[in-house]
Amino acid sequence: EVQLLESGGGLVQPGGSLRLSCAASGFTFSSYGMSWVRQAPGKGLEWVSGVSGSGGSTYYADSVKGRFTISRDNFKNTLYLQMTSLRAEDTAVYYCAKGSSGYSSWGRGTLVTVSS
Amino acid sequence: QSVLTQPPSASGAPGQRVTISCSGSSSNIGSNSVNWYQQLPGTAPKLLIYSNNQRPSGVPDRFSGSKSGTSASLAISGLQSEDEADYYCAAWDDSLNGYVFGTGTKVTVL
Repeated sequence: EVQLLESGGGLVQPGGSLRLSCAASGFTFSSYGMSWVRQAPGKGLEWVSGVSGSGGSTYYADSVKGRFTISRDNFKNTLYLQMTSLRAEDTAVYYCAKGSSGYSSWGRGTLVTVSS
Repeated sequence: QSVLTQPPSASGAPGQRVTISCSGSSSNIGSNSVNWYQQLPGTAPKLLIYSNNQRPSGVPDRFSGSKSGTSASLAISGLQSEDEADYYCAAWDDSLNGYVFGTGTKVTVL
């Protein structure tokens, strides 16, 4: 059974940084692209970033480009999202999702709140 | 601001058929496959339809998807109370070089 478990969310001040992690199990992690998708309170889904199975290719939404960095450790079966220069509008539940497009499995999400 | 447009709401009585539209452009729906996600209240999204019209294992055949040109649609037949949820279309966008979600449609069972 595929399992994705996000962690690392919390309250951070504007301009601060946070690193999210997603521990994956139940599938051959290195064979799949992985992505981060977020959902602001009461709002719709927004794709944030994606990475290829090898980690060699990365993709970002314009709203986070230059501030967020996606990476993965295929030995630890873990996906990361390093977030810097955080803004109030980055407040959201961040989901880890399996796939490059067409996300067959999702984690439960981790809440990031950017507020002073 | 999403590049895929959906109606904000749709509704129907139990047993009825509901259709949700998703309008895009040549850089997304027009050149890539469409996926649909269902998000029940308070839960993570779930893949409902992939590659325009394919159902993952476990998804009832009451759910069907189609695509024509730069638009797609999701149909729910034999509407049930447990179908009350938010539904999102999505596709890769070649111009943005990223994945885009629709604005979302809230389905209510009357």
